[in-house]
Amino acid sequence: DTAVSQTPKYLVTQMGNDKSIKCEQNLGHDTMYWYKQDSKKFLKIMFSYNNKELIINETVPNRFSPKSPDKAHLNLHINSLELGDSAVYFCASSQAYGWGSEAFFGQGTRLTVV
Amino acid sequence: GESVGLHLPTLSVQEGDNSIINCAYSNSASDYFIWYKQESGKGPQFIIDIRSNMDKRQGQRVTVLLNKTVKHLSLQIAATQPGDSAVYFCAENISKGGSEKLVFGKGTKLTVNP
Repeated sequence: DTAVSQTPKYLVTQMGNDKSIKCEQNLGHDTMYWYKQDSKKFLKIMFSYNNKELIINETVPNRFSPKSPDKAHLNLHINSLELGDSAVYFCASSQAYGWGSEAFFGQGTRLTVV
Repeated sequence: GESVGLHLPTLSVQEGDNSIINCAYSNSASDYFIWYKQESGKGPQFIIDIRSNMDKRQGQRVTVLLNKTVKHLSLQIAATQPGDSAVYFCAENISKGGSEKLVFGKGTKLTVNP
């Protein structure tokens, strides 16, 4: 059973398009995250949600809009895609928000904007 | 600012040797640290964590050491195996403005030679 699953695994699209990445966790966790990993493997947090409430928006452009329909899902919608958006996007979840809470990661979605 | 850096971007060891991966962090208020392992094409996977009230924690073949005086974290892997080849990240939990987030370092690529 996959604990944190993301779809699609690969996404190739043209500049200017709008795309979505879906994420679901079956761990019963309260908190979910989106991270972006660039070509140099640097992982940076984008958003975190706790019980469907946005907690962190790490100065991400408005073109990125997370949506949490319930605490098991956190989808990422990206408008007007740009070349610089090409990266691997990871969804993660943790049992609780904050101190001492290990994050479990999905397999990642490799987004390529051409 | 927030930064978690690594002294060595790459590390190559012989199978059976012990590996040490180092990490420097800048936020003296960080209270929780995690080491993650990321294999090619996969999401980061939890290895071991440590809280700021400890200076050492041991797992199976892995040990994490925390030196708060110099803000240094290390991961020791005993009897390194080919399956340990991966990129290793240290991450620190940073509390700021009522929110908490996990900030990742740049990663060290460990290669285990048979």
